[in-house]
Amino acid sequence: GAGVSQSPSNKVTEKGKDVELRCDPISGHTALYWYRQRLGQGLEFLIYFQGNSAPDKSGLPSDRFSAERTGESVSTLTIQRTQQEDSAVYLCASSLGGGLAGEGETQYFGPGTRLLVL
Amino acid sequence: AQKVTQAQTEISVVEKEDVTLDCVYETRDTTYYLFWYKQPPSGELVFLIRRNSFDEQNEISGRYSWNFQKSTSSFNFTITASQVVDSAVYFCALRVVNSGYALNFGKGTSLLVTP
Repeated sequence: GAGVSQSPSNKVTEKGKDVELRCDPISGHTALYWYRQRLGQGLEFLIYFQGNSAPDKSGLPSDRFSAERTGESVSTLTIQRTQQEDSAVYLCASSLGGGLAGEGETQYFGPGTRLLVL
Repeated sequence: AQKVTQAQTEISVVEKEDVTLDCVYETRDTTYYLFWYKQPPSGELVFLIRRNSFDEQNEISGRYSWNFQKSTSSFNFTITASQVVDSAVYFCALRVVNSGYALNFGKGTSLLVTP
């Protein structure tokens, strides 16, 4: 079946502009995650959605970052007033979730959105 | 707090050599999951393996094998008879069940396999 998809693949923006990044999870996956990967670094957790529960926003670096998800479908990550340090690859992942152990734990990643803030 | 350390930043080997990628993790919890992901030059993370803390059995999948040792908090990954297509960045990650759902990633090991 289809994997996690993200759009756009690449985004170049000017400092101070807002950007929206989109993620389509694997069908049937109730859990969705956003991560950020700076150049040459590991992944930093940003936010987690599970079904209709309140999201875990503990990884969002500032109030310029926000994310939404409608039900168990598409999610949008918004960065307001972008700064140069926001330049990174933003990766979305999904998993079966729902507290399922084992396979439910495995997160499958999309190809990412490469964001460059000039 | 949880932490994953991949001490090897870069490794370069010649094709057909065996190579082991080290992963050391820290957690005080007894229930957790460990993962390995591969990130080829294309950028997409590819899931390789998941292991829970109660299953210390080592695993072999083709040329890949994993050695999980709770006594040393390590979850090492060995590629046997490496191939050029194995060139990628490999990430080890930890998820502690009682500490949220985020994966804690190591900084990755960049593996270059040359012909």
